[in-house]
Amino acid sequence: SYVLTQPPSVSVAPGQTANITCGGNNVGRKSVHWYQQKPGRAPVLVVHDDSDRPSGITERFSGSNSGNTATLTISWVEAGDEADYYCQVWDSSSDSYVFGTGTKVAVL
Amino acid sequence: QVQLVQSGAEVKKPGASMKVSCKASGYTFTSFGISWLRQAPGQGPEWMGWISAKNGNTKYAQKFQGRVTLTTDTSTSTAYMELRSLRSDDTAIYYCARDGIVVIVNDYWGQGTLVTVSS
Repeated sequence: SYVLTQPPSVSVAPGQTANITCGGNNVGRKSVHWYQQKPGRAPVLVVHDDSDRPSGITERFSGSNSGNTATLTISWVEAGDEADYYCQVWDSSSDSYVFGTGTKVAVL
Repeated sequence: QVQLVQSGAEVKKPGASMKVSCKASGYTFTSFGISWLRQAPGQGPEWMGWISAKNGNTKYAQKFQGRVTLTTDTSTSTAYMELRSLRSDDTAIYYCARDGIVVIVNDYWGQGTLVTVSS
């Protein structure tokens, strides 16, 4: 089955930029979605279709996808961005959604 | 505003069945689908299946084929997920999420339903 690999953790200082990667075989050919999940809460969609933001999501969240790596970028990181982040794709081979392994973002 | 409100927490015995409901509001129910996902303690989300609220078409993750059934009641804008033959490793928070009329993206999520399977 299709595998998406994320770094377990990313640490970033307030005001800096966090880049969270999501690696998968030819993931650039798929539409990647990104979710933010804070403790005890349901996931929230922050980027869909590689780089589009849902209404109400700050412009500080952006995404890109090419080759074997998709990236979620959080600019001007704030303390409130501390959360787990998951990438997701639809895998047509298995006819199922696949989630990445998840990345915990810590704001120093 | 789009809202998905799920039924309350449950405790089940191994071998039993569970059925979680998800009542939608704030949008035209039959113009979208519903995906069901779960998250075991300390783990990431896992997709279980999708149902079209327009025509009842379904897709199930291979892992749950034969053990899960998704249904909708368009008269009440409610989706249901039934999981049978429960095991201890089915202990998780179960989520419904709005999806497309075909599988697209999970743009709004319910609050989650904790199901504990224990003897």
